[in-house]
Amino acid sequence: AQSVTQLDSQVPVFEEAPVELRCNYSSSVSVYLFWYVQYPNQGLQLLLKYLSGSTLVKGINGFEAEFNKSQTSFHLRKPSVHISDTAEYFCAVRVYSGGGADGLTFGKGTHLIIQP
Amino acid sequence: DAGVIQSPRHEVTEMGQEVTLRCKPISGHDYLFWYRQTMMRGLELLIYFNNNVPIDDSGMPEDRFSAKMPNASFSTLKIQPSEPRDSAVYFCASSLTGRGSPLHFGNGTRLTVT
Repeated sequence: AQSVTQLDSQVPVFEEAPVELRCNYSSSVSVYLFWYVQYPNQGLQLLLKYLSGSTLVKGINGFEAEFNKSQTSFHLRKPSVHISDTAEYFCAVRVYSGGGADGLTFGKGTHLIIQP
Repeated sequence: DAGVIQSPRHEVTEMGQEVTLRCKPISGHDYLFWYRQTMMRGLELLIYFNNNVPIDDSGMPEDRFSAKMPNASFSTLKIQPSEPRDSAVYFCASSLTGRGSPLHFGNGTRLTVT
């Protein structure tokens, strides 16, 4: 079975500072990795995804993530955050077994708090 | 693209009542998922369908929960009878079959059972 660990439940950062949100996963099969963002009272919106190829993936709103197979990590980064980035961020994995695709398995989420 | 549409956005009901949540997936998507989000347990996958057929319902907490997908454009999640511990935000999501296809989420239904 697969699992996702987001090491920080809350990350406070000053505006215009860089940020890294950590994510580690475990799976016995090939995985596809995603980061989603959730703003208050809204659904989850896809930030970026890693399928294969280049380990550095760029997403929307200036975010990027790096896949590291040896460390089973998929950390999310942004070089300079804005007040509007305040939200909950979820790392997720999707696996494909012989019978087809499974649903996404999510981490517990990291609340990014941007301080002025 | 209208996205995944869920109704109602908010539902308040009394313990013991039947609750029905509705979802319209994105046209052409052949996977549909129901998730529940709570502070304590985070996002939990309840059940998912492929081509209208339930594939895995191991996340459905109890027999009080049931889900149907009568056609490619509509799904329901029913709780009967409802209990206060069912209070949560319920999300519907859909995706294509292709490897690595992301899930597209609706805005959720916030259920409060008093």
